[in-house]
Amino acid sequence: AQKITQTQPGMFVQEKEAVTLDCTYDTSDPSYGLFWYKQPSSGEMIFLIYQGSYDQQNATEGRYSLNFQKARKSANLVISASQLGDSAMYFCAMGEHNYGQNFVFGPGTRLSVLP
Amino acid sequence: GAGVSQSPSNKVTEKGKDVELRCDPISGHTALYWYRQSLGQGLEFLIYFQGNSAPDKSGLPSDRFSAERTGGSVSTLTIQRTQQEDSAVYLCASSFRDSSYEQYFGPGTRLTVT
Repeated sequence: AQKITQTQPGMFVQEKEAVTLDCTYDTSDPSYGLFWYKQPSSGEMIFLIYQGSYDQQNATEGRYSLNFQKARKSANLVISASQLGDSAMYFCAMGEHNYGQNFVFGPGTRLSVLP
Repeated sequence: GAGVSQSPSNKVTEKGKDVELRCDPISGHTALYWYRQSLGQGLEFLIYFQGNSAPDKSGLPSDRFSAERTGGSVSTLTIQRTQQEDSAVYLCASSFRDSSYEQYFGPGTRLTVT
């Protein structure tokens, strides 16, 4: 069963606008972590932001914030004030603390920032 | 400090040959992961090492694939009798403890089987 779903294979956003990348997940483990990674065309995987399942507040890291809706099992990434350098693949991932030892990545969303 | 390193960065091999890919994790990280990424695709989990525990090999696609981690540090992914469908980028990542911590990725090894 697909544990991480990213329904947007590709997204476009105008420079300086905000954009939301969707991620839904599936787990029966009450304790888990949600992660977002960025992969530019250079191929490196860059960690962006983390949200723990017990965290009360949405995670924020600079221009990145995670809109965590636990009941909906949704962990959308919001990028504010998009920059041309934000053009990349974005992967949502989950690590289960009790039931799983491995990480599961979603299929990714390709974001293109337009000048 | 040093990040995760992988070698070689590129490997071209003939179908049927064996290859070894190496990963040096960040010092102090007890968890190590191998992934495979085909062109334009997401990450496919291969294997996970955590400390001295038995590795989670559930993602290895066939018995031609094996991996070991010596001394809780360096890891080697071996592919025997390579096939063209093995062509991909092989990514290694390490994390401080387990899957509850963020992973730091190496630059990957691009494997091409001709």
